[in-house]
Amino acid sequence: AQSVTQPDIHITVSEGASLELRCNYSYGATPYLFWYVQSPGQGLQLLLKYFSGDTLVQGIKGFEAEFKRSQSSFNLRKPSVHWSDAAEYFCAVGAGGSQGNLIFGKGTKLSVKP
Amino acid sequence: NAGVTQTPKFRILKIGQSMTLQCAQDMNHNYMYWYRQDPGMGLKLIYYSVGAGITDKGEVPNGYNVSRSTTEDFPLRLELAAPSQTSVYFCASEGSGNYGYTFGSGTRLTVV
Repeated sequence: AQSVTQPDIHITVSEGASLELRCNYSYGATPYLFWYVQSPGQGLQLLLKYFSGDTLVQGIKGFEAEFKRSQSSFNLRKPSVHWSDAAEYFCAVGAGGSQGNLIFGKGTKLSVKP
Repeated sequence: NAGVTQTPKFRILKIGQSMTLQCAQDMNHNYMYWYRQDPGMGLKLIYYSVGAGITDKGEVPNGYNVSRSTTEDFPLRLELAAPSQTSVYFCASEGSGNYGYTFGSGTRLTVV
């Protein structure tokens, strides 16, 4: 069955520290992978996406993610976290469009200490 | 502003009442989706549509109905509201070959 696992429910990092949010997926075909961010009371905003090619993808707000097929992972990273990055982050996998729908992980809530 | 517009933002329903959650997009996207979000559970797909006149069930369709008479609009109907339908509902759209959803800002629904 297709699934997405985000092992960390809540992570707290200090401002200026580096960040890595984990995402593991199970998907039968070549996956399309996404990271979304949700600020409190808001909808989800697309951070970055991976379809093919270079396994290190750059996104908005200084985020990047690396696709590792051998580990079925798509971890999100940022070298230096800002207080405004505090939010909930969702990993998603799917084929998109008429080929199927995105399956979302349960999310990781990020808190940032001053 | 271009995007996905959801109305209302908040609503309280009594058990057994009905309502329609509205969703409209002005990006000429073919694909539209309804998700519900419950704390700690991520997003669950309720219904989706690949174009006007075509809809299909997602993971949690019971208690809901949808229609897609135009490309722009994708309303979600709740019949006989139940407390289990208390949730935040998100509508999203996606263009052909432009993978990545655009989400609305959500409707927070409470059934009492």
